[in-house]
Amino acid sequence: NAGVTQTPKFQVLKTGQSMTLQCAQDMNHNSMYWYRQDPGMGLRLIYYSASEGTTDKGEVPNGYNVSRLNKREFSLRLESAAPSQTSVYFCASSYSGNTIYFGEGSWLTVV
Amino acid sequence: GENVEQHPSTLSVQEGDSAVIKCTYSDSASNYFPWYKQELGKRPQLIIDIRSNVGEKKDQRIAVTLNKTAKHFSLHITETQPEDSAVYFCAATADTGRRALTFGSGTRLQVQP
Repeated sequence: NAGVTQTPKFQVLKTGQSMTLQCAQDMNHNSMYWYRQDPGMGLRLIYYSASEGTTDKGEVPNGYNVSRLNKREFSLRLESAAPSQTSVYFCASSYSGNTIYFGEGSWLTVV
Repeated sequence: GENVEQHPSTLSVQEGDSAVIKCTYSDSASNYFPWYKQELGKRPQLIIDIRSNVGEKKDQRIAVTLNKTAKHFSLHITETQPEDSAVYFCAATADTGRRALTFGSGTRLQVQP
């Protein structure tokens, strides 16, 4: 039972490049989330998916797109990376009304 | 939307002392309040949570209290140990199925041996 798995763990991008962060959960959770964490700012919600087939914007969605591919997988795409998107990205999942579990994080640097 | 404020941003205590971290929230509809601990380079992990139908919950050395009228909740750690050193985040939401957690900005707790 792996829980929430996200890849890659580390990535360096050049400004303007695109990339997709992958996330999968094996806990049969219906809700999935993408957060970013910057020093001193806690965790800020980028997008979330309350159930398969639905996605909603969070607090900081600009510059990102998401896809809820199926119940297990929720990907985050940066179409044209900017230095301001340098951050640690956490994918998470939950079953309605219960604990949210986080993946191990993806460290992204945009130069 | 929900806004969660957390204080203090840093807290240093001596081993064996108690530590208290406080959070306030803005959305009166919020009914679920978890606390997460994050060690350096690791993922946030749930340590305790409370729902709005209870005022206090305890789990060994940690406890959380909730005052819905004042819209604030607190984390209490007693008999602190060096391994309690980490960043602690409070969060709030009206329903984790439909709305995601809104997090506070975190408290860095340092327990001095």
